[in-house]
Amino acid sequence: DADVTQTPRNRITKTGKRIMLECSQTKGHDRMYWYRQDPGLGLRLIYYSFDVKDINKGEISDGYSVSRQAQAKFSLSLESAIPNQTALYFCATSATVTDTQYFGPGTRLTVL
Amino acid sequence: GQNIDQPTEMTATEGAIVQINCTYQTSGFNGLFWYQQHAGEAPTFLSYNVLDGLEEKGRFSSFLSRSKGYSYLLLKELQMKDSASYLCAVKGAGGFQKLVFGTGTRLLVSP
Repeated sequence: DADVTQTPRNRITKTGKRIMLECSQTKGHDRMYWYRQDPGLGLRLIYYSFDVKDINKGEISDGYSVSRQAQAKFSLSLESAIPNQTALYFCATSATVTDTQYFGPGTRLTVL
Repeated sequence: GQNIDQPTEMTATEGAIVQINCTYQTSGFNGLFWYQQHAGEAPTFLSYNVLDGLEEKGRFSSFLSRSKGYSYLLLKELQMKDSASYLCAVKGAGGFQKLVFGTGTRLLVSP
């Protein structure tokens, strides 16, 4: 069984729609992250959370919001999707001590 | 500022050895990671270096020189399944030791 899961795996939506991407983990890690990946730009951090009560903006948080519903769940929302949010989105988790990040399988989002 | 440089693409032959370089300039340093990413899939952890020197793990080795801001990933006995992107990522200093990723090196292994 996968330690970090993401739903949906693929999503096509229209400009202006609200979209939620979900991430769940069974690794027992406190830290969770959302990244987006675009060709030629590498992975960029959107939001991160060190525990349920701690949410922080990353380098590209505009147009996104997050919710940490429980230690194991971290959701990313696009309030009003736009075409330049078309990308591959990854959730990741890490334990506090080692901080090695483990990634979910990704969500491919297309905004038309 | 933070800057991580890797070659965009490399090619190699099955059975050969390839070295993928990574140079970095970051505000603070708390370690360097290498990840492997097959097309459309999740990055998977390969190695972590925080001290200078070589870390060997099977066919893969990773080297770090902090004074030179330089690391490399060495892949031996290349296999077709090693065709993937290899991401260098640096962990910064400070309260949140953010991981900054390079754009990755796409390695193509041919028969």
